[in-house]
Amino acid sequence: DAGVIQSPRHEVTEMGQEVTLRCKPISGHNSLFWYRQTMMRGLELLIYFNNNVPIDDSGMPEDRFSAKMPNASFSTLKIQPSEPRDSAVYFCASSFPRGGWNGYTFGSGTRLTVV
Amino acid sequence: AQSVSQHNHHVILSEAASLELGCNYSYGGTVNLFWYVQYPGQHLQLLLKYFSGDPLVKGIKGFEAEFIKSKFSFNLRKPSVQWSDTAEYFCAVTPASGGSYIPTFGRGTSLIVHP
Repeated sequence: DAGVIQSPRHEVTEMGQEVTLRCKPISGHNSLFWYRQTMMRGLELLIYFNNNVPIDDSGMPEDRFSAKMPNASFSTLKIQPSEPRDSAVYFCASSFPRGGWNGYTFGSGTRLTVV
Repeated sequence: AQSVSQHNHHVILSEAASLELGCNYSYGGTVNLFWYVQYPGQHLQLLLKYFSGDPLVKGIKGFEAEFIKSKFSFNLRKPSVQWSDTAEYFCAVTPASGGSYIPTFGRGTSLIVHP
């Protein structure tokens, strides 16, 4: 089992550019979460998918952020346009079944720096 | 909505000292509880989880946690810490039934163990 796979591991971009983060959940997991981690705010939930359907996106900061899950094996988080305050580590996590009975498995994260 | 409070933001110990990290949650119903560890530069990994039954849960690497329902607490303990336990520790809670099954994480406790 390769675990939750995120790409890229590091991303440095200029303010105003579009950024796309990618996540491949564990095969068979039907819940997928995007979290953002910063020193100031800790771990914040951005969006939660269940069976590829967005269930809760109340944590998405603003319209500049969007997330998709076109199929059970792939999700993207897009920031357009990016701003320096978006700099953070973005984690993707997956689980099965709902409720995390087997725990939530996290990817290695994408460290985003917007300059 | 549930919330999680971790009282100790930074803990510094010497090797072989005993560890207890506090975690309190607020939620009106039944919950599932988790402790995760994040080693420097790495992703979150599951240490242990509680769903039901024996309130004393044993996890990996000698960690254990006790669920005290009357106190809404799920404190993490280890009788003798090692230098390799230096990491960030996160407590998380999920509603056990109904609800959104979205895990809410505490702000984390940074543990530094001196050799």
